[in-house]
Amino acid sequence: AQSVAQPEDQVNVAEGNPLTVKCTYSVSGNPYLFWYVQYPNRGLQFLLKYITGDNLVKGSYGFEAEFNKSQTSFHLKKPSALVSDSALYFCAVRPFSGGYNKLIFGAGTRLAVHP
Amino acid sequence: GAVVSQHPSRVICKSGTSVKIECRSLDFQATTMFWYRQFPKQSLMLMATSNEGSKATYEQGVEKDKFLINHASLTLSTLTVTSAHPEDSSFYICSARAGTSDPISEQFFGPGTRLTVL
Repeated sequence: AQSVAQPEDQVNVAEGNPLTVKCTYSVSGNPYLFWYVQYPNRGLQFLLKYITGDNLVKGSYGFEAEFNKSQTSFHLKKPSALVSDSALYFCAVRPFSGGYNKLIFGAGTRLAVHP
Repeated sequence: GAVVSQHPSRVICKSGTSVKIECRSLDFQATTMFWYRQFPKQSLMLMATSNEGSKATYEQGVEKDKFLINHASLTLSTLTVTSAHPEDSSFYICSARAGTSDPISEQFFGPGTRLTVL
């Protein structure tokens, strides 16, 4: 079965410290990978995506993610966290093969950045 | 970036009534729209995929007669929750995609609609 795992329900980071939000996936073929952020009572905002090419992808608000094919991971990172980064983060995958149209979401990780 | 709106943002209704939620793509034509449901502290669950001018494709376990989806134009899709019950209370989010031929075109998400059924 195709799935996305975000092993941490919550990540706590002090402001100014680097942050990592983990994501691993299980799909057939080469996937397209995405990160979205959700603020309270809001829809999802696109952060970044990996399609092909350089394994390190840079996105919005200083976030970046590294695609690791051997570990089937796509961890989200930021060198220096801000309090305003506190939100719910979703990793998602769209399988490449078969014209598969859907996004499969992970369960989400709540990021709390403390002053 | 592309903007997707939803209306209403919040709705409270009595059990047994029907509620319609609108999803609009404001600055692009959305050939495909998706409807998701999100329970508190949980991920988004895809309910159905709709292509303009054709019937929606529902995910397994989603009742198509209860959750009516209409994608009548390239900028508007509606989700009608018929005969709503308290267990239908949830956060409903739509997303829209511009091109069906491009497999990597992004989905742009609406702000969501909080439905509370009393």
